[in-house]
Amino acid sequence: GENVEQHPSTLSVQEGDSAVIKCTYSDSASNYFPWYKQELGKRPQLIIDIRSNVGEKKDQRIAVTLNKTAKHFSLHITETQPEDSAVYFCAASKDTGRRALTFGSGTRLQVQP
Amino acid sequence: EPEVTQTPSHQVTQMGQEVILRCVPISNHLYFYWYRQILGQKVEFLVSFYNNEISEKSEIFDDQFSVERPDGSNFTLKIRSTKLEDSAMYFCASRGPTGDSYNEQFFGPGTRLTVL
Repeated sequence: GENVEQHPSTLSVQEGDSAVIKCTYSDSASNYFPWYKQELGKRPQLIIDIRSNVGEKKDQRIAVTLNKTAKHFSLHITETQPEDSAVYFCAASKDTGRRALTFGSGTRLQVQP
Repeated sequence: EPEVTQTPSHQVTQMGQEVILRCVPISNHLYFYWYRQILGQKVEFLVSFYNNEISEKSEIFDDQFSVERPDGSNFTLKIRSTKLEDSAMYFCASRGPTGDSYNEQFFGPGTRLTVL
């Protein structure tokens, strides 16, 4: 089955700096890659996603890049703010999200004011 | 904005007891999922459900687990005889109708299950 590895496990940045979180996946059939943000005690919420026919997608301060050949994808957050502090999970699935999501182990991002 | 809801928010039970976790997916969604998250760990897939039957399940989803959509709105997860290691946050998720524009799985707030 699919295996998703995520690094780093913790990341501390100064407010205004950029943050990058990286994930690799094992199943070349995976074609949908969402990123979820989970604040303490709350539900995971989708912040951005990308499909395998696209190399990059941007939404304001958040961007995701995908390298299908290398089977890795990354989340980039620019101009970080204290409210960006949370745990971020990458995930992968097949059939453009219809199938189960396989999650990475999560990255705890701390933005220092 | 419509949301997935789950009840109860916290369930405490004795080992060996049966529990039923309840979810109300977003009303026009067709795909339903259960995931669990042991404290401090990653979110793990349990089962997916479509067209009134299980479409996919993980190795975690053994004979002690079952799912049901008893009416047009509820989606339940039953654990027949709970074990200590079943203690976790259980998330229900749902996904919209078919079509490429409806990829997102929307998660409920979770039920924290504590098995004593």
